[in-house]
Amino acid sequence: EVQLVESGRGLVQPGGSLRLSCAASGFTFSRFAMSWVRQAPGKGLEWVSSISASGLSRYYGDSVKGRFTISRDNSKSTVYLQVNSLRAEDTAVYYCAKAAGDMITLGGILSSWGQGTPVTVSS
Amino acid sequence: EIVMTQSPATLSLSPGERATLSCGASQSVGSNLAWYQQKPGQAPRLLISGASTRATGIPARFSGSGSGTEFTLTISSLQSEDFAVYYCQQYSNWPPITFGQGTRLEIK
Repeated sequence: EVQLVESGRGLVQPGGSLRLSCAASGFTFSRFAMSWVRQAPGKGLEWVSSISASGLSRYYGDSVKGRFTISRDNSKSTVYLQVNSLRAEDTAVYYCAKAAGDMITLGGILSSWGQGTPVTVSS
Repeated sequence: EIVMTQSPATLSLSPGERATLSCGASQSVGSNLAWYQQKPGQAPRLLISGASTRATGIPARFSGSGSGTEFTLTISSLQSEDFAVYYCQQYSNWPPITFGQGTRLEIK
C-alpha cells in the first residue's frame, strides 16, 4: 500500500523559511516522479512543483519560482520542499503526491496523495 | 498555460440520481485529463485518468468521457459517500499542471 507522510508543518513569519518533507513507502520510490500541490483555506488545488524520478528535472509554478526548491533523496524515499521568502498567500495545506510514472504524461497523473501538512504564514 | 473551467460550481442532487459534471480546457489536451474527488478534511483521490480510465478501486458508477477541450464526469447513481468536491486536471502540456476550480456536489 502506498503511503505518503508529510511533515514540517508550521507557523512562520512573512519572509521566513521552512522545509517540508514527505516520506514514502509501499512502492519503488526511485521510479516515480513526485509533486507538491497546495490548497489555501477554502480554495481549490494549486500545483506547486514536480521532480523527476532521478531528481534531474525540476519544475515550479510561477507563484513559487525562485522561492521554493524541490529535491529528493531516493536512498531515503523522501521528497522535500524548501520554502523560502514566505508570503501570507503561501498559507495553505501542502500535499505531497506520487505520480503514475516518470515525467511527461504519466508524471502529471497524481495517483496517490499524502494527508497534507499545513503551513501558516503570519506575523 | 492551459486554463481549466468546471461547471457547475455547485450541483445539488439526491442519492440515487445521476450526476453530470463538466470540465473545459482552453486548448486541446487530447485525453490527458484526470478527475479527483476530495472530501472535507481529506486529501484528493484520483478517480480517473486518460479522460476515461478508472483508477484502482474506483467503483464502476464513476465514468469519464470526452477528449480535446470538453470532458464529463458522470456518477450513474449517487451514493451518500459521493457528495464531495470534484476537480479536473490536465497533464497534456505541463508544466504547469493545472486544475479546474472544482465542482461541489451537495445533497439536495
